[in-house]
Amino acid sequence: EAGVAQSPRYKIIEKRQSVAFWCNPISGHATLYWYQQILGQGPKLLIQFQNNGVVDDSQLPKDRFSAERLKGVDSTLKIQPAKLEDSAVYLCASSLGRGRRSPLHFGNGTRLTVT
Amino acid sequence: DAKTTQPNSMESNEEEPVHLPCNHSTISGTDYIHWYRQLPSQGPEYVIHGLTSNVNNRMASLAIAEDRKSSTLILHRATLRDAAVYYCIKAGGTSYGKLTFGQGTILTVHP
Repeated sequence: EAGVAQSPRYKIIEKRQSVAFWCNPISGHATLYWYQQILGQGPKLLIQFQNNGVVDDSQLPKDRFSAERLKGVDSTLKIQPAKLEDSAVYLCASSLGRGRRSPLHFGNGTRLTVT
Repeated sequence: DAKTTQPNSMESNEEEPVHLPCNHSTISGTDYIHWYRQLPSQGPEYVIHGLTSNVNNRMASLAIAEDRKSSTLILHRATLRDAAVYYCIKAGGTSYGKLTFGQGTILTVHP
């Protein structure tokens, strides 16, 4: 089966600019996650979708970050405006069911550098 | 929602077994234990998960203590490709099963 696809692979922007990341989950996976991974740390959950509804966005900085999952399939994560501390790898993952007992399948991420 | 506790790093020799420990003393009855690993420049990769009893798959074995407050990931014969950061995760907290990653254990495998 095809894995989780993410694009772009790398992105360099200046602070205060906007950026968007795209994720295509594994076909049929109802749950989609966006994680942020800062260098040297474990991934931090930003937002979790069940189909096209948000079930957890408690750690999403909503003043600058937004995410949507149209038609319960693809998803985009946007940052506007970007700050230096947003430099990180943004990982998308999907699972067939809920994360408690369904393995997560991760993409290889988008590495964002904010200068 | 306390995270799990793992050693920062461990070392092993190639073709020897590796036992990676994890403490999760605040685990609830419905929390699953998941293990993922992450190679450089890649996203995390699912390894194994379990609830109460020991679990085996082609990659590893998961031994869960009887009181469920700790678990051990067992790699039966380490290879150089097993060198990675290993994350032990307590999956629960909500009905949707939030997975919270900690710092993980950096496993070094020596030839």
